[in-house]
Amino acid sequence: DTAVSQTPKYLVTQMGNDKSIKCEQNLGHDTMYWYKQDSKKFLKIMFSYNNKELIINETVPNRFSPKSPDKAHLNLHINSLELGDSAVYFCASTAGPGSYNEQFFGPGTRLTVL
Amino acid sequence: SQQGEEDPQALSIQEGENATMNCSYKTSINNLQWYRQNSGRGLVHLILIRSNEREKHSGRLRVTLDTSKKSSSLLITASRAADTASYFCATEFTGGGNKLTFGTGTQLKVEL
Repeated sequence: DTAVSQTPKYLVTQMGNDKSIKCEQNLGHDTMYWYKQDSKKFLKIMFSYNNKELIINETVPNRFSPKSPDKAHLNLHINSLELGDSAVYFCASTAGPGSYNEQFFGPGTRLTVL
Repeated sequence: SQQGEEDPQALSIQEGENATMNCSYKTSINNLQWYRQNSGRGLVHLILIRSNEREKHSGRLRVTLDTSKKSSSLLITASRAADTASYFCATEFTGGGNKLTFGTGTQLKVEL
C-alpha cells in the first residue's frame, strides 16, 4: 500500500509549457506539502496545506499554483515552465499542525524542462 | 537563512564501522528530525528528537541534541552497505508551525 503517491514519476517538457503534478496520500493526514529538491540535493519547502487550506506559501513564483480538492490530494500546477524549474518535486504529508509530527514523503517527480 | 548545515558533506566508510554526521542550525527549535534518502527515492523519516531531549536511540541509530550549541549528531553503528544513502537533518523552528527546514545533507557510502 503506497502511503504518499505522486504522478507522474518523470516529466520532460519544453520551456513555456504548462504542466501538473498530482499527489495523493492514504494516511488520513490533514497536512500536505510540496518541496523542491535541486541538483545539489537542497530540499526547500514550497507550499503547505492543512485540510484544504493554504498555510505555508514560501517565496515561490506565482507560476506555481497548488490546489487541494480534498485533504487527501494536493496537486501542483506550473505555468510557463522555465529551465530553472528542472528539479525533483516531492509531496509529503503529516498528521496535522503542531509539533512532533514526522513527515511522510512521496517518491518524487523528476521534472526536466528543455 | 535558517537552513541547517551538515558536516561532513560526504563520508565513505567500511562496512562494520560507525558513521557520525553532524548538523548545526541557527535559531531555537521545537524538534529536530533526521531523514534518509536513497538514490532516486523520497525521504524516509528516521528519528525525531524534541528540544527538551538530549539523546535518543532507535536500533543502530543514536541521535544527540545540544540546544546550547544548536547542533545535533546522528551516529549509525555497525554500518551496512544498505545504509548507503544521503542523510538530512530537518528542524522545526519555534513559531514555524509544521514547517521543516532541511540541512544540506551528508552523502554516506558504506563499502563492502
